[in-house]
Amino acid sequence: GQNIDQPTEMTATEGAIVQINCTYQTSGFNGLFWYQQHAGEAPTFLSYNVLDGLEEKGRFSSFLSRSKGYSYLLLKELQMKDSASYLCAVRDNYGQNFVFGPGTRLSVLP
Amino acid sequence: GAVVSQHPSRVICKSGTSVKIECRSLDFQATTMFWYRQFPKQSLMLMATSNEGSKATYEQGVEKDKFLINHASLTLSTLTVTSAHPEDSSFYICSARADSGGYEQYFGPGTRLTVT
Repeated sequence: GQNIDQPTEMTATEGAIVQINCTYQTSGFNGLFWYQQHAGEAPTFLSYNVLDGLEEKGRFSSFLSRSKGYSYLLLKELQMKDSASYLCAVRDNYGQNFVFGPGTRLSVLP
Repeated sequence: GAVVSQHPSRVICKSGTSVKIECRSLDFQATTMFWYRQFPKQSLMLMATSNEGSKATYEQGVEKDKFLINHASLTLSTLTVTSAHPEDSSFYICSARADSGGYEQYFGPGTRLTVT
């Protein structure tokens, strides 16, 4: 079966750092993705991990441990515009299917 | 590059009618496109995988006779919601994977369907 778990909601302060965790159990693994989605809009791509370790891209970093079925998205120097849902997605079966987690709604407070 | 469009962005229809949603890859070819549905405050749920020139692959629980998918060209897939009911009201999002390779799915802007 496919199971991806994320915290439902998180709150952080402008300028702070927040870590959003994602755990997964899937029948296959061919990469883990993080997307940002603002209300009423389509998801936008943030990061991709297929090997263990940390991928850094500006204020955003994503970490993967395949043996633990675990990833996190790290957001630094939070801005108000970072208030959004963050979706963790796992690609399986040779890249055919994405399985999305429930998403984490992040609220950034002044 | 890698832009995906959807049309219409919003549609309101009466119960019992059919609605067609188009998904186009504007600057790349996509043999494979995906259709998702998203209810308020919930995550994306894959409905079906659309393959150019062949039948779509539907996820478990998705009625293929109700959600008709046609992928007639390498840049266009359509989703038709037949005999729509209020419970079909949702945000429908398509994505496309470029034939030229890479790992990303590129998402369209979504279509908000309201069935009255």
